[in-house]
Amino acid sequence: DAGITQSPRHKVTETGTPVTLRCHQTENHRYMYWYRQDPGHGLRLIHYSYGVKDTDKGEVSDGYSVSRSKTEDFLLTLESATSSQTSVYFCAISTGTDDNQPQHFGDGTRLSIL
Amino acid sequence: GDSVTQMEGPVTLSEEAFLTINCTYTATGYPSLFWYVQYPGEGLQLLLKATKADDKGSNKGFEATYRKETTSFHLEKGSVQVSDSAVYFCALSDRGYIPTFGRGTSLIVHP
Repeated sequence: DAGITQSPRHKVTETGTPVTLRCHQTENHRYMYWYRQDPGHGLRLIHYSYGVKDTDKGEVSDGYSVSRSKTEDFLLTLESATSSQTSVYFCAISTGTDDNQPQHFGDGTRLSIL
Repeated sequence: GDSVTQMEGPVTLSEEAFLTINCTYTATGYPSLFWYVQYPGEGLQLLLKATKADDKGSNKGFEATYRKETTSFHLEKGSVQVSDSAVYFCALSDRGYIPTFGRGTSLIVHP
């Protein structure tokens, strides 16, 4: 168990409101990721982090920002939520010391934007 | 760039049937290959992996062989159970720490 906790697990909010999702890991792994999962699209990378204050964009980063002020926490923020951001969001970490290691995933946050 | 192509689902089988889920990839280097499984309401879990050509990954009765000549990593199981119903993702990791995932294949196993 890689010790990944996502919060909240479910959230319903309204268009235009800010939303922050939290990913917490217990094992000080360097690499952390945020994905969204939608029917017909599989998993799509939003942002990732390779260390404290070191982040980069993925393929669907528009409308999202991230922050990592501590090794164990990686936050995903929707500054002004839109209905197109209704999705299931997964946090993942990479546990290995080389670049071909598998990822470990949290259980997801189901976000609905009305 | 790198890509992973999986057969579209859903794949529907009866219990004890033989399973194959096809996966092919393109990569510029020598990637590691993975199969993940996602049960309803959960995140993805690593099912098996292979790191070089001709390696066979196996776990829980599932197997996949890294075929460099055909750029494939097909998932197989000799006798599926209802509890194997899930979504299966093929993935590769080439350079760096950003993997490439296929779109997933849903498996439904009937009693």
